[in-house]
Amino acid sequence: GEDVEQSLFLSVREGDSSVINCTYTDSSSTYLYWYKQEPGAGLQLLTYIFSNMDMKQDQRLTVLLNKKDKHLSLRIADTQTGDSAIYFCAESIQGNTGKLIFGQGTTLQVKP
Amino acid sequence: KAGVTQTPRYLIKTRGQQVTLSCSPISGHRSVSWYQQTPGQGLQFLFEYFSETQRNKGNFPGRFSGRQFSNSRSEMNVSTLELGDSALYLCASSPGDVNTEAFFGQGTRLTVV
Repeated sequence: GEDVEQSLFLSVREGDSSVINCTYTDSSSTYLYWYKQEPGAGLQLLTYIFSNMDMKQDQRLTVLLNKKDKHLSLRIADTQTGDSAIYFCAESIQGNTGKLIFGQGTTLQVKP
Repeated sequence: KAGVTQTPRYLIKTRGQQVTLSCSPISGHRSVSWYQQTPGQGLQFLFEYFSETQRNKGNFPGRFSGRQFSNSRSEMNVSTLELGDSALYLCASSPGDVNTEAFFGQGTRLTVV
């Protein structure tokens, strides 16, 4: 089946690292994505990882993929107040189509 | 390079009316997907168009339809609007051949009264 699960809320202090977790169920997933949504805005693509990779790093962002456990995480180093937003993970099940299955979103609150 | 453009940004419609939303993808992208975002159901896939053909479809009633033009611009239409259709409608643009990155527009906020 197609299902993506995320925890709903995470609160951290400015300067700390944030880790947002996601689990998915479809083993045929090809790409896994992280999006950020600020109030009243659309979705901003942060990063994505191909399913044959274990890790991807992009500046303050680190994505870890455990394909055996179907677990994906996004680590934000040195979290800033501007990182406060809702973070969605998503999977692309059929690599050549534009169908993404999204999790419910994790609200990240960054306290000064 | 221009991003994904959705028009209009906001709409207010009455129950029973119909509405058409527009999405212009990134230049060179041939795939446009539509999503509905509501507080209760989250982000749900509506359909995807690639080279003017519907390539994938989600689990929405037939009142929701779409099309894509030869310049890759896409429209979605909702007929006989219901209160529950109030949502943020997002479109995503991707190259289409190999789906690596999908970029979203700002969305159209539809309110049905």
